[in-house]
Amino acid sequence: AQTVTQSQPEMSVQEAETVTLSCTYDTSESNYYLFWYKQPPSRQMILVIRQEAYKQQNATENRFSVNFQKAAKSFSLKISDSQLGDTAMYFCAFTESNTGKLIFGQGTTLQVKP
Amino acid sequence: GAVVSQHPSWVICKSGTSVKIECRSLDFQATTMFWYRQFPKQSLMLMATSNEGSKATYEQGVEKDKFLINHASLTLSTLTVTSAHPEDSSFYICSARDLRGGKSTDTQYFGPGTRLTVL
Repeated sequence: AQTVTQSQPEMSVQEAETVTLSCTYDTSESNYYLFWYKQPPSRQMILVIRQEAYKQQNATENRFSVNFQKAAKSFSLKISDSQLGDTAMYFCAFTESNTGKLIFGQGTTLQVKP
Repeated sequence: GAVVSQHPSWVICKSGTSVKIECRSLDFQATTMFWYRQFPKQSLMLMATSNEGSKATYEQGVEKDKFLINHASLTLSTLTVTSAHPEDSSFYICSARDLRGGKSTDTQYFGPGTRLTVL
């Protein structure tokens, strides 16, 4: 079975500092996609970053970057220069390539403190 | 970008009535949409996959006669909660699969969600 695990239920970080959220997954597929979504208090799911498994280069979107370790099946999210607006629940997810279904982790609630 | 709308954003209904929730992809066509249910502070639970022009595929344990899904066009999927009961109260979220760039851009974009309260 394909699974995604986020082992940190809650985290906090001071404004302007850097924080890393962990994610591991398990799959037998060779080509797949990994995502980080954020869900702020409004509950709107927002795409943060996307990584294609066949690409070795780690994806980056402004202050957000990932550390993708395919052999270890690890996909962590680094948020640099944390801002108050980054306060949200963050979900790591993996796509089943044939169905397009997203397999979500349990989520990590991030609190950015002023 | 890719924008997905959902309507209504919240609804209150009486037990035994039916409620319809609409999900629209506003700037792209989506042959596949997904419906999720989310309880407070929990992850999203996939209910069903909505396929344009064909029957929806339901996840194990989801009652297809209770949660009716219709994907009548490439931009609209609807979820109807039939004979709603208080235990159906939840936050329902839809997403649309963006394949405009083919598999290399395969990404789901989400609607803002619908909060359903059944009295």
